[in-house]
Amino acid sequence: DVKVTQSSRYLVKRTGEKVFLECVQDMDHENMFWYRQDPGLGLRLIYFSYDVKMKEKGDIPEGYSVSREKKERFSLILESASTNQTSMYLCASSFRGGGSTDTQYFGPGTRLTVL
Amino acid sequence: AQSVTQLGSHVSVSEGALVLLRCNYSSSVPPYLFWYVQYPNQGLQLLLKYTTGATLVKGINGFEAEFKKSETSFHLTKPLAHMSDAAEYFCAVSAYNQGGKLIFGQGTELSVKP
Repeated sequence: DVKVTQSSRYLVKRTGEKVFLECVQDMDHENMFWYRQDPGLGLRLIYFSYDVKMKEKGDIPEGYSVSREKKERFSLILESASTNQTSMYLCASSFRGGGSTDTQYFGPGTRLTVL
Repeated sequence: AQSVTQLGSHVSVSEGALVLLRCNYSSSVPPYLFWYVQYPNQGLQLLLKYTTGATLVKGINGFEAEFKKSETSFHLTKPLAHMSDAAEYFCAVSAYNQGGKLIFGQGTELSVKP
């Protein structure tokens, strides 16, 4: 069974803090993704990575950065958290060999509140 | 550019009734289409997907969806709703040579009444 884990289920931070969200997958997947989920907006792609040390911007990268130093781990960084970054954050991974048809496997999500 | 529209942010059905969740897509290239389900306090999991071939796709838990190119639709159905089907459902589209990126719809929350 594919397993994608996220470091926290719930997180409360203050405005201006630097926030790290960690994601680990155990299936040797090349692709990893970070989304944010907001009511009425579905899932929106923040950043994705096809390989170690590679990253590409998604649809809403502003205010975020990422790091992928090891294949199994993909971190999302909020350099200076703001209240409009209060959201549910979902990590996913997929096998690159499947191309555009491959299934993405999701972690349970981190609900981040910025006060 | 690709996009997905799910008609109805909330759908309510009675237990045993037909479930119909609507999804329309826009894509300039042949699309690959997905339905994911999110149960409360969980991540998303794949219900079914259409890539090529047979346009009627069967998934887990008795769900199926039909790809209709002429209508640019990929509606999700289940003949008999069960209380355990209550969840949020997301339709998504990807395209060839897009590296597995998905574009998601807004989501539809399904409620099942006893």
